[in-house]
Amino acid sequence: AQSVAQPEDQVNVAEGNPLTVKCTYSVSGNPYLFWYVQYPNRGLQFLLKYITGDNLVKGSYGFEAEFNKSQTSFHLKKPSALVSDSALYFCAVRDADSSYKLIFGSGTRLLVRP
Amino acid sequence: EPEVTQTPSHQVTQMGQEVILRCVPISNHLYFYWYRQILGQKVEFLVSFYNNEISEKSEIFDDQFSVERPDGSNFTLKIRSTKLEDSAMYFCASRGSGRFTGELFFGEGSRLTVL
Repeated sequence: AQSVAQPEDQVNVAEGNPLTVKCTYSVSGNPYLFWYVQYPNRGLQFLLKYITGDNLVKGSYGFEAEFNKSQTSFHLKKPSALVSDSALYFCAVRDADSSYKLIFGSGTRLLVRP
Repeated sequence: EPEVTQTPSHQVTQMGQEVILRCVPISNHLYFYWYRQILGQKVEFLVSFYNNEISEKSEIFDDQFSVERPDGSNFTLKIRSTKLEDSAMYFCASRGSGRFTGELFFGEGSRLTVL
């Protein structure tokens, strides 16, 4: 069965510093990986995805993620954090065995301090 | 930009009451989903719906739950007799047709509080 793990409940960074939010995955077959963000009292918003191709994928709001097959990881990164990036971030994998539902990780709260 | 809309944004109900949560997916989308998020926990899949029938449902989606697309635009989730543990944020999502390589589009959620 497909699954994702986000080992950190919270990540704290100072504004202007680089940030990394970690995600590891377990899939059978080719992984289809996603990052979503949830701002307070809002729904989930798509950030980026990895389907195939370059291991470094770029997404919305200056975020990027690096796919590492040997480490089964898909960490979310941003070179310079903004206070407005503070939100809840979810890693997800497509469940290819069924109706293509997404399976979400437990979420990581990112707190960027001024 | 097209979006998924959900109503109500917040509903408070008594245990044992029926609740209907409504969603209007993006108009040309064909696949519909309900997810829920209990406060502080992960987002969990409930059910997927395509071609007017359930494609898949999770263990959470028991006989107390049902979904319907009554009029070609709305997609509803009904909880027949609510329990305290049904208190959660419920998210509707949709996607277009074809091979799924893209993202799901989520609504802003309906918060259900069962007292």
